[in-house]
Amino acid sequence: DAGVIQSPRHEVTEMGQEVTLRCKPISGHDYLFWYRQTMMRGLELLIYFNNNVPIDDSGMPEDRFSAKMPNASFSTLKIQPSEPRDSAVYFCASSPSGAYNTGELFFGEGSRLTVL
Amino acid sequence: QKEVEQDPGPLSVPEGAIVSLNCTYSNSAFQYFMWYRQYSRKGPELLMYTYSSGNKEDGRFTAQVDKSSKYISLFIRDSQPSDSATYLCAMRRNTNAGKSTFGDGTTLTVKP
Repeated sequence: DAGVIQSPRHEVTEMGQEVTLRCKPISGHDYLFWYRQTMMRGLELLIYFNNNVPIDDSGMPEDRFSAKMPNASFSTLKIQPSEPRDSAVYFCASSPSGAYNTGELFFGEGSRLTVL
Repeated sequence: QKEVEQDPGPLSVPEGAIVSLNCTYSNSAFQYFMWYRQYSRKGPELLMYTYSSGNKEDGRFTAQVDKSSKYISLFIRDSQPSDSATYLCAMRRNTNAGKSTFGDGTTLTVKP
């Protein structure tokens, strides 16, 4: 399996621009998570989906952030308009469910966002 | 106050040393405890997984959970330069999937 695939790996943009981050989870995993990692705040959960349905978006910082999962193999995280404080590494992770699974999170390599 | 607090580090040790990494937590509902390892510019990967209190050993790694004290530890014996990474503790309430809460991570450097 190719693992969780995220794109772009690096994004540099100017304040006010729209940013779209993309994620392809591992096939067969029915949970998908978006995390954000910064030095100051560590790894924070933004939102997670189960079977393409958003379950908990309480970590989404504000209305500028939105996430969608139109099908089991694709999710997007959008920031509009972007601000310098959004600069971080954004990770997508997927996880299988089922009685014999540990709930291990399989992370992608992250999208490093810099907002100037 | 954060639900999960992790000793911040950074930690630098000579090769062969025993390393102790620690986290405390405030939410007694946590039942599943994990340690993830994150190499530079990579995503975290699961290293150890423990349910409830007790010890679990896997090679040079031992995870300990003390639910009465709300305290978990990861011990690394005979540390190697390849162990140099950031270690993140994580905790979850429910079985098999769902929201995990992470500590901020401790960066470990093992010097040859």
